[in-house]
Amino acid sequence: EAGVTQSPTHLIKTRGQQATLRCSPISGHTSVYWYQQALGLGLQFLLWYDEGEERNRGNFPPRFSGRQFPNYSSELNVNALELEDSALYLCASGLNNSPLHFGNGTRLTVT
Amino acid sequence: AQKVTQAQTEISVVEKEDVTLDCVYETRDTTYYLFWYKQPPSGELVFLIRRNSFDEQNEISGRYSWNFQKSTSSFNFTITASQVVDSAVYFCALIFQSGGSYIPTFGRGTSLIVHP
Repeated sequence: EAGVTQSPTHLIKTRGQQATLRCSPISGHTSVYWYQQALGLGLQFLLWYDEGEERNRGNFPPRFSGRQFPNYSSELNVNALELEDSALYLCASGLNNSPLHFGNGTRLTVT
Repeated sequence: AQKVTQAQTEISVVEKEDVTLDCVYETRDTTYYLFWYKQPPSGELVFLIRRNSFDEQNEISGRYSWNFQKSTSSFNFTITASQVVDSAVYFCALIFQSGGSYIPTFGRGTSLIVHP
């Protein structure tokens, strides 16, 4: 069974640009969660998608957005990039209260 | 509000020592689930264990053991006879259900360094 896959592995952008990160969940999982892991800050909850809808979002500005496609894959968009957006972005998939399965993450660097 | 506290930012031990990672949680829900994840240097979070709020039995899996105590809202993780490969960041997490939503909350993580 394929795990959660994220692309790209690394992404380098400059301030003001937009970044798009992609995630494919484990087959059968309808929920996708996005987390930001900045240095020293642990995992900060960004967004939760389930059955194509945004169910919840964390305490992040609106320039962090995304969507979930009919095949349950998901995209995270970060507009007007700022230096402090540099972080590891982790995607996880799950079903209700089952353990989340995480991808390897996308390392975003903003210069 | 839901919250997970891992007070130990970093723990350093020598191989073969036992080490306990603390996790304290806050929630008003009576039904919730607690998890531990391991994040090795490669970055991927690896699921270790899940415990629901109605099951206070401790669990042992090889060198790993977990102590869940609702009275103190703690879910501590002990590694016996630690090994260098145990070096990683360990996260405790809480999932509760609120209005049909399952919202995972993570602690800040404890970095475990095991020296040879």
